[in-house]
Amino acid sequence: DSGVTQTPKHLITATGQRVTLRCSPRSGDLSVYWYQQSLDQGLQFLIQYYNGEERAKGNILERFSAQQFPDLHSELNLSSLELGDSALYFCASSDHRGSGTEAFFGQGTRLTVV
Amino acid sequence: DQQVKQNSPSLSVQEGRISILNCDYTNSMFDYFLWYKKYPAEGPTFLISISSIKDKNEDGRFTVFLNKSAKHLSLHIVPSQPGDSAVYFCAASAFSGGTSYGKLTFGQGTILTVHP
Repeated sequence: DSGVTQTPKHLITATGQRVTLRCSPRSGDLSVYWYQQSLDQGLQFLIQYYNGEERAKGNILERFSAQQFPDLHSELNLSSLELGDSALYFCASSDHRGSGTEAFFGQGTRLTVV
Repeated sequence: DQQVKQNSPSLSVQEGRISILNCDYTNSMFDYFLWYKKYPAEGPTFLISISSIKDKNEDGRFTVFLNKSAKHLSLHIVPSQPGDSAVYFCAASAFSGGTSYGKLTFGQGTILTVHP
């Protein structure tokens, strides 16, 4: 158990809809990252938050947005969903204590758009 | 622009032998490298890491080697066990700061199968 919790585990929704994925980081971790893994592909970095502020952005579509709340949990919002958005979405967290940047991953949310 | 590449999609090894997984990178700003292991339907699990100031780091059966001049790293698993069968991802970050502080860039992964 990595200590990172993602809900829901599975989500099936129709095209055009909007969904929210939730992530609770490990206790004490200030950084939260969101990654997307599509069919047999590597993990693509979407966005990073550090202590409530956006820190880095990757290949995140304009239809997607995220935020990190004062209690450090994060939400990834996906709107106007398309079939191609079907993927595994992972959240990770790290503490940046200076010893390196190991990130610990949640179990992921499998999103299926039909 | 794939900054971290794992050119072998798969590797098959006999139990007890050595598994060697390779990874190449192009971004000279990367200064911290990690290996993750992933089972189906689970999130990636951190295995081992290495800072760019070292050329080797060992943890039990797992050793990571870094060749900065060649921008190449490898993960050695000795001896390999059937439970090691999983997808292995190489990742890199620019720890030194900047706007990508802590962000991990992943390779495409290598599927390791260890046969009994």
